[in-house]
Amino acid sequence: GQQVMQIPQYQHVQEGEDFTTYCNSSTTLSNIQWYKQRPGGHPVFLIQLVKSGEVKKQKRLTFQFGEAKKNSSLHITATQTTDVGTYFCVRSNAGGTSYGKLTFGQGTILTVHP
Amino acid sequence: GAGVSQSPRYKVTKRGQDVALRCDPISGHVSLYWYRQALGQGPEFLTYFNYEAQQDKSGLPNDRFSAERPEGSISTLTIQRTEQRDSAMYRCASSPSGRWNEQFFGPGTRLTVL
Repeated sequence: GQQVMQIPQYQHVQEGEDFTTYCNSSTTLSNIQWYKQRPGGHPVFLIQLVKSGEVKKQKRLTFQFGEAKKNSSLHITATQTTDVGTYFCVRSNAGGTSYGKLTFGQGTILTVHP
Repeated sequence: GAGVSQSPRYKVTKRGQDVALRCDPISGHVSLYWYRQALGQGPEFLTYFNYEAQQDKSGLPNDRFSAERPEGSISTLTIQRTEQRDSAMYRCASSPSGRWNEQFFGPGTRLTVL
């Protein structure tokens, strides 16, 4: 299926700094999900965005879905060491019957220096 | 409640042997998914089930890979005649009815083929 491209691949920040990762698709997405994977852990669902221009917040995390539904971003305000991990944007199979097929981006690895 | 469990957590086998990886989803979850994750990459879809029906097996790399979920609960991913390139983390996930994008991942089985 179509990939979603994420940038940057790596990001190192000092604790307290902000962090943003971007996700881009060449085709229009029906929805986008974000997952987080801690080092040595498994992916954990964070959020799903469905509507054009949608913005959702979870404490210090802000998720946006572009107006054209081709891009998305995750912004973390005032990072903490607990934010360390890999953040994946994930697309689902649009249409058809294979709703459960998720395609993960390559992820952004976030390191937070105390 | 209990999350997704997988067994064994680690499996070392010799090239040419068959292996069976087990997944026990969250109780009541209708859908079950198998992914493969290489180091430093996002999970790659293999196959998924709704109840006992295999909905999509397009991600299985070749006919040495098969999966079943005969009673709509526990699932087994079988790899026949293993090859070194099969070495990876194999992850299982499950989701409740209608929420196929919110997948709960298990801890994975680390497969090493010598």
